[in-house]
Amino acid sequence: DIVLTQSPALAVSLGQRATISCRASQSVSTSSYNLMHWYQQKPGEQPKLLIYDASNLASGIPVRFSGSGSGTDFTLTINPVQADDIATYYCQQSRELPLTFGSGTKLEIK
Amino acid sequence: EVQLVESGGGLVQPGRSMKLSCAASGFTFSNYGMAWVRQAPTKGLEWVATISYDGSSTYYRDSVKGRFTISRDNAKSTLYLQMNSLRSEDTATYYCTRGRRASDYWGQGVMVTVSS
Repeated sequence: DIVLTQSPALAVSLGQRATISCRASQSVSTSSYNLMHWYQQKPGEQPKLLIYDASNLASGIPVRFSGSGSGTDFTLTINPVQADDIATYYCQQSRELPLTFGSGTKLEIK
Repeated sequence: EVQLVESGGGLVQPGRSMKLSCAASGFTFSNYGMAWVRQAPTKGLEWVATISYDGSSTYYRDSVKGRFTISRDNAKSTLYLQMNSLRSEDTATYYCTRGRRASDYWGQGVMVTVSS
């Protein structure tokens, strides 16, 4: 199985940049796609897709969210961070089955 | 508006069965692969199973293979998860999701508690 590693938590100040990383145990990229996706989950709610295929913004997601990376290293950036962004962020790969998720990074306000 | 509404959860004893349903609306259900993803209390997300748009292909994580069956009725725009031989470690909120790679829409989730 492909293991995705995320830091447990990140504290940032409002209005600053947040950078959340996800490292895969093997490449999740093909010749055409980087098969890494990002989700936001607020307490008591279902997850919401933010970014698909590493860098594509999902429908209705604000442009202050962005994604980058290829191979084994990926990043979700939120700039600037707003109070409404307090949540847990998960990466997920679809390069091979089983689909796997990272353990999540909890974004906190400094 | 895309909507996914799960039902059928609750408390069940170990070794018993339960069937979850997910009613889809707001899109052409028969055009999309669908999946179930679960989340144990205070834990992270775990993929459970995926089904192709026409139901011809199904995929499962190893821990549920042989016990769970994903299926769909495109005429009713409904996704199902039949869960047999339930174990305590199956206790989780189960989410119905749209998509075979990235899940672009999620239901609100249904809680399944396996306990005697």
